[in-house]
Amino acid sequence: AQSVSQHNHHVILSEAASLELGCNYSYGGTVNLFWYVQYPGQHLQLLLKYFSGDPLVKGIKGFEAEFIKSKFSFNLRKPSVQWSDTAEYFCAVYTGGFKTIFGAGTRLFVKA
Amino acid sequence: ETGVTQTPRHLVMGMTNKKSLKCEQHLGHNAMYWYKQSAKKPLELMFVYSLEERVENNSVPSRFSPECPNSSHLFLHLHTLQPEDSALYLCASSQGGGVGNSPLHFGNGTRLTVT
Repeated sequence: AQSVSQHNHHVILSEAASLELGCNYSYGGTVNLFWYVQYPGQHLQLLLKYFSGDPLVKGIKGFEAEFIKSKFSFNLRKPSVQWSDTAEYFCAVYTGGFKTIFGAGTRLFVKA
Repeated sequence: ETGVTQTPRHLVMGMTNKKSLKCEQHLGHNAMYWYKQSAKKPLELMFVYSLEERVENNSVPSRFSPECPNSSHLFLHLHTLQPEDSALYLCASSQGGGVGNSPLHFGNGTRLTVT
């Protein structure tokens, strides 16, 4: 079955620490991959996306993600987190038609 | 401002009640979605409408009944719900299937509590 697995449910970091959130997916077709973010009290919004080309994609607020096809992974990174990055992060894969499958989310808390 | 507005923000209902969730999108999109968000679980796709026709129905119990009267409005009618249906219900819209340059745009959700 198609699925998205996010490695950590909760991550706590201090400001200026580096961030890497793991995401693996199980889908054998051409992938379109996304990271969405949900800040406290706000709606889910797109952080970055990958469709083709350079496997390292840049998003808003200094985030980036790397698509590694052989590992079925799409990990999210940020070199130096800020308190304002406290949010829940969701990895997602588009599997065709009108189906986008999401992971369970990772809650990031950044200590000031 | 999300472009996708959901009402109410919070809803508490008993198991014998009938209520409806409303979603309106102001983005000119042609597809609308209902997702269920439960703690520590992946978002579950419930229903998708494209050009007001239902195109996805992911084995959702019949106590959930969607309605899409036009491309800007989507409803989720609820009746005889169970406590395990308590969750955050998210509405989203997209142009096409949510791929390419038109990913999903979400509303703030309706927090539903079934007592």
